[in-house]
Amino acid sequence: DAGITQSPRYKITETGRQVTLMCHQTWSHSYMFWYRQDLGHGLRLIYYSAAADITDKGEVPDGYVVSRSKTENFPLTLESATRSQTSVYFCASRGGADTGELFFGEGSRLTVL
Amino acid sequence: GQNIDQPTEMTATEGAIVQINCTYQTSGFNGLFWYQQHAGEAPTFLSYNVLDGLEEKGRFSSFLSRSKGYSYLLLKELQMKDSASYLCAVMDSNYQLIWGAGTKLIIKP
Repeated sequence: DAGITQSPRYKITETGRQVTLMCHQTWSHSYMFWYRQDLGHGLRLIYYSAAADITDKGEVPDGYVVSRSKTENFPLTLESATRSQTSVYFCASRGGADTGELFFGEGSRLTVL
Repeated sequence: GQNIDQPTEMTATEGAIVQINCTYQTSGFNGLFWYQQHAGEAPTFLSYNVLDGLEEKGRFSSFLSRSKGYSYLLLKELQMKDSASYLCAVMDSNYQLIWGAGTKLIIKP
């Protein structure tokens, strides 16, 4: 089915561990984004990508790494997880630079103990 | 700095009308978006305004005044399923979306 999917949907890990959240979209959208959502905050942009092999930092990139070797995949890695990275992570995509409508994945709820 | 303000929570009655306000201060403006987010789910697109005025889409309408840095989302004939958070977002001069913290709307029978 066409769409944007994230995995895992739920993850519990320990401080210091490496975690990778996967994101896959089937629309061939150029732009992909990673957001985190915490109570009291709006969606905060972690990283985004305008095309394969092009990535840029967002508002809160520290502690995260991304890659985009293929248009359809945009994994987010927490190199050494911290408790402050406990959050809900949303991957999103859109077709063009000025096309504002974002299509979101279902979200990945990460708990760091 | 860039800032989007919207009320944290609102309560309304089933069948009534509610208006959710959003004010913004951003570096440039390339449109304002409203998204709906049910608890535990992803945001979904509701509306887009780039010119001043009212855009109507069924029970939902969105208004924009660029000179005042102001928008509202109007929900009519409220239904229980409208209980959700409503997120206001502005696309800035770099075509990045700046998000408000969201307004949690509680509908009572």
